[in-house]
Amino acid sequence: DAGITQSPRHKVTETGTPVTLRCHQTENHRYMYWYRQDPGHGLRLIHYSYGVKDTDKGEVSDGYSVSRSKTEDFLLTLESATSSQTSVYFCAISDGKWVSFGSGTQLSVL
Amino acid sequence: SQQGEEDPQALSIQEGENATMNCSYKTSINNLQWYRQNSGRGLVHLILIRSNEREKHSGRLRVTLDTSKKSSSLLITASRAADTASYFCATGSPGAGNNRKLIWGLGTSLAVNP
Repeated sequence: DAGITQSPRHKVTETGTPVTLRCHQTENHRYMYWYRQDPGHGLRLIHYSYGVKDTDKGEVSDGYSVSRSKTEDFLLTLESATSSQTSVYFCAISDGKWVSFGSGTQLSVL
Repeated sequence: SQQGEEDPQALSIQEGENATMNCSYKTSINNLQWYRQNSGRGLVHLILIRSNEREKHSGRLRVTLDTSKKSSSLLITASRAADTASYFCATGSPGAGNNRKLIWGLGTSLAVNP
């Protein structure tokens, strides 16, 4: 998947616990994104980054934070997970043309 | 809010037939892109068409864009079972820094039966 590694691939957690998902790229692309994909909603942008320490909110950013301290790593944190955050999370990267996606993280919040 | 809306939501055809999917959008765009998603995997880029282009080909794929109607179509010719997947359109808007914030449709689920 285009030099993008997401970890973990699967996670089950309990409501109220913090969760961090990691995205690592080897393509040296400037732009990185976190999406969630849910039935009936398609892909929705959570946060994105256009460079180290430069991030911005997407359409569904409430309850999520991100950090990008290095070009290759983009972390997504759920400060206090809720059941509504059960979803498949995709990291994506772009050189400004098209977007390449990771394999996804299946997160279940019980 | 979703910009792209694919039509139909689901499509089932026989191997060898052509498959056509449509995407409509609401605002001005810089480009429109089509992606494929196999079950349980991430999306894979198929083709990009710019707002000043009307048609583009890539192998068995043909994409058209009609900016006056704010619509695009993806044609897959001589379909194969391996084409079974969900297909998504995404639009890049002017001033949005290329693909900083693509707007995605809900997808068309294509089943190609052997």
